Amino acid sequence: GAGVSQTPSNKVTEKGKYVELRCDPISGHTALYWYRQSLGQGPEFLIYFQGTGAADDSGLPNDRFFAVRPEGSVSTLKIQRTERGDSAVYLCASSPSGASYEQYFGPGTRLTVT
Amino acid sequence: AQKITQTQPGMFVQEKEAVTLDCTYDTSDQSYGLFWYKQPSSGEMIFLIYQGSYDEQNATEGRYSLNFQKARKSANLVISASQLGDSAMYFCAMRDLPSGGYQKVTFGTGTKLQVIP
Repeated sequence: GAGVSQTPSNKVTEKGKYVELRCDPISGHTALYWYRQSLGQGPEFLIYFQGTGAADDSGLPNDRFFAVRPEGSVSTLKIQRTERGDSAVYLCASSPSGASYEQYFGPGTRLTVT
Repeated sequence: AQKITQTQPGMFVQEKEAVTLDCTYDTSDQSYGLFWYKQPSSGEMIFLIYQGSYDEQNATEGRYSLNFQKARKSANLVISASQLGDSAMYFCAMRDLPSGGYQKVTFGTGTKLQVIP
């Protein structure tokens, strides 16, 4: 079946602009995670959704970052007033449930803020 | 707070040989889980193997095995019979179980493995 997909694969934006990154999880997966991976680092947890609700957003770096999952499937990560330090690969992962240890990752969106 | 340490930024291995990638961890939890993921140049994280803290036997998945030494807090990945396609970044990771019962995963900084023909 189809895996996790993310769009766009690459996004270049100017400092101060608003961006949206989209994640399509595996059908039927109720748990969805966003991570950020900076160059030379491992992924860092940003936010976890169980269904439509953000159960843990403790990893969001500041209030410029926001994510939604209105129908419990597709999720959008939104970044306002982008800064050069936001440049990274943003990874999405889904899981059949929050208790499932196996997370299936998408290919990521590479965000570059110029 | 949980912490994962991977001290090998890069490793080389001859094709068909075995290689061990090191991982140590720190946690105050009694129940936890350890993972290894592979990240090829394409960027996608691929799950390789999982070890629960109460599992008595080391986890194995095909050519991958996890050498779990609980007292030493280490969870090294052993890849046997290396193949050229094994060249990639490898991340050790740990999950904890916040009260919500979901998997909050902490990743190490990774080891870049290069397999030499």
